[in-house]
Formats: sequence, structure tokens, C-alpha cells
Amino acid sequence: EVQLVESGGGLVKPGGSLRLSCAVSGFTSSNAWMSWVRQAPGKGLEWVGRIKSKTDGGTTEYAAPMQGRFTISRDDSKNTLYLQMNSLKTEDTAVYYCTALPNWGQGTLVTVSS
Amino acid sequence: EIVLTQSPGTLSLSPGERATLSCRASQSVSSSFLAWYQQKPGQAPRLLIYGASSRATGIPDRFSGSGSGTDFTLTISRLEPEDFAVYYCQQYGSSPFTFGPGTTVDIK
Repeated sequence: EVQLVESGGGLVKPGGSLRLSCAVSGFTSSNAWMSWVRQAPGKGLEWVGRIKSKTDGGTTEYAAPMQGRFTISRDDSKNTLYLQMNSLKTEDTAVYYCTALPNWGQGTLVTVSS
Repeated sequence: EIVLTQSPGTLSLSPGERATLSCRASQSVSSSFLAWYQQKPGQAPRLLIYGASSRATGIPDRFSGSGSGTDFTLTISRLEPEDFAVYYCQQYGSSPFTFGPGTTVDIK
């Protein structure tokens, strides 16, 4: 069974940092292009960014509000995807999902508040 | 950035009725890289349709997608009780891979 399990969410102050992890099981994640998507409370879905597989270059792309503050990386030896978030703002408060289509994790809540 | 607009914002229908949801893009979506998702409260989104018209594994055939260029449609032929949810379209042909604002299908 394919599973994506996010972790690392929590409460952080504005300006702080947080690293989310997404542990993948049930398939070979090294071949997958993987993404992060977020959803603010009561709002719609927002694409955060994507990382290609290493065989396809391993390059990353980000939505404009995250560019320069967020970094997506992967450790295929651990079947894990990461999202490093720096300079967090209150508007970054959201549930963060990792995806490797068609599969999605259940999300982890990040709250940015003083 | 490609902006997606979904209409209507809310669709109030009864079980057994047909639902037609629209997704319009501000510019052409390359290679019909358009997906539809269903999301229920407290759950992660579920992929329904990819490539504008291909059903994802395990998706019932009452769900169908069509369209190309800038105009796309998700049709649910006969609504089942479990279909009342929020539906999002997403284009993944041009970065950033934007989502539409969603259409809520609720029970009339």
C-alpha cells in the first residue's frame, strides 16, 4: 500500500524556521516527481513547489510567495521528501501536504503565530 | 502564471442529478495538463482526472473530464451521496502549477 506521511508541523513564531518531512512507502519514490501543496484554514489549495526525480535532473520549482524562503529536497536513500521553510510569515499558516501523484499524504499543520 | 477560474462557486443539486463544473484558464494549458480533485472536509484531496480526460485508478465512470486549451469541464453523470464535496482543477503544464478556487457541490 502506498503511503505518504508528513511530519514536523507545529507552532512557530513569525520569522522562524521549520522543516517538514514526508516519509514515503509502498513505491520507489526515487522515480517520482514530488510536490508540496498547502491549504490555509478554510481556504483552497495552493501549490508550493515541486522537485523532479534525480534521473530527470532533480531540479526544483516554487510558487512566487515561497521563492527564496522555502527549499524542497529529497533523500531517496530514506524515501523521504523535505520542505525547509525559513522566514515564516503568519500567512504561511496552513496544512501542508506532500504529493506524488496520484497519492497524497494526510497533511501536517503549520501555525505561524506570536 | 496561469490563473484558473472555476464556476459556479457553489452547485446545489439532488442525488441522481447531473453536475457540470467548469474550469477556465487565463491562457492555454499545454498538452491538456489539467487535473481535477475532490476534497471532503478533514480529508486530503483525491485525484479524479488527469490529462483533462483520463480517470485516475479506482475512480467511478460517472466522473468524466473534457476540454482543451482554456476551457475544461468535469461532469458527474449521476450524483451519489458521497459525491457532495469541493472540486478543484489544477494545471500542471506550466510552472507555477496553479489551482482553481474550487466549486462546492452541496445537497439541494
